[in-house]
Amino acid sequence: DVKVTQSSRYLVKRTGEKVFLECVQDMDHENMFWYRQDPGLGLRLIYFSYDVKMKEKGDIPEGYSVSREKKERFSLILESASTNQTSMYLCASSSFSGVSTDTQYFGPGTRLTVL
Amino acid sequence: DAKTTQPTSMDCAEGRAANLPCNHSTISGNEYVYWYRQIHSQGPQYIIHGLKNNETNEMASLIITEDRKSSTLILPHATLRDTAVYYCIVRLFSGGYQKVTFGTGTKLQVIP
Repeated sequence: DVKVTQSSRYLVKRTGEKVFLECVQDMDHENMFWYRQDPGLGLRLIYFSYDVKMKEKGDIPEGYSVSREKKERFSLILESASTNQTSMYLCASSSFSGVSTDTQYFGPGTRLTVL
Repeated sequence: DAKTTQPTSMDCAEGRAANLPCNHSTISGNEYVYWYRQIHSQGPQYIIHGLKNNETNEMASLIITEDRKSSTLILPHATLRDTAVYYCIVRLFSGGYQKVTFGTGTKLQVIP
């Protein structure tokens, strides 16, 4: 069974703190993604990675960085958390198909509140 | 990706089939129809996808019209746990990566 796990379901941090969100998948997927989901704005892609140590910016990378040292793990880092980064953070993974479509599987989400 | 149109909300009686429609009139020939759902405060869950033929898995059935301009997701025996927002999206993977973009979806309420 497909499994994407995230380190925390709920997290509360203070402005200026460095925040680490971790995501692990057990499906040997090449691609991993970090999204944030906000009411009225839908899903927005922050970063993605298509291989170990490879990363690409998504639509809203500002204020975030990522790390992928192992194939199964993709970390999202908020260098200095701000209140506008309060959101639901979703990790997803997919297998590189190289053909016509890929199915992304999502984790349970981390609801981050920055005070 | 082609745009999709779904009803904002629907009710379904527990135990009955839930039929969720989706219009995607501008779909191109090599775009897939995907369905996800999101239960409140949880991550989106993949349900099913298809290109031309009808598809069935352990969760649902997907019926795609012959002209591919619309589709219907069928949950054969809805339970209270099926209460969620259901997203129909159209995707083409052209190599590299492709983000998932959700519209507003259909809020399905399963009623006891």
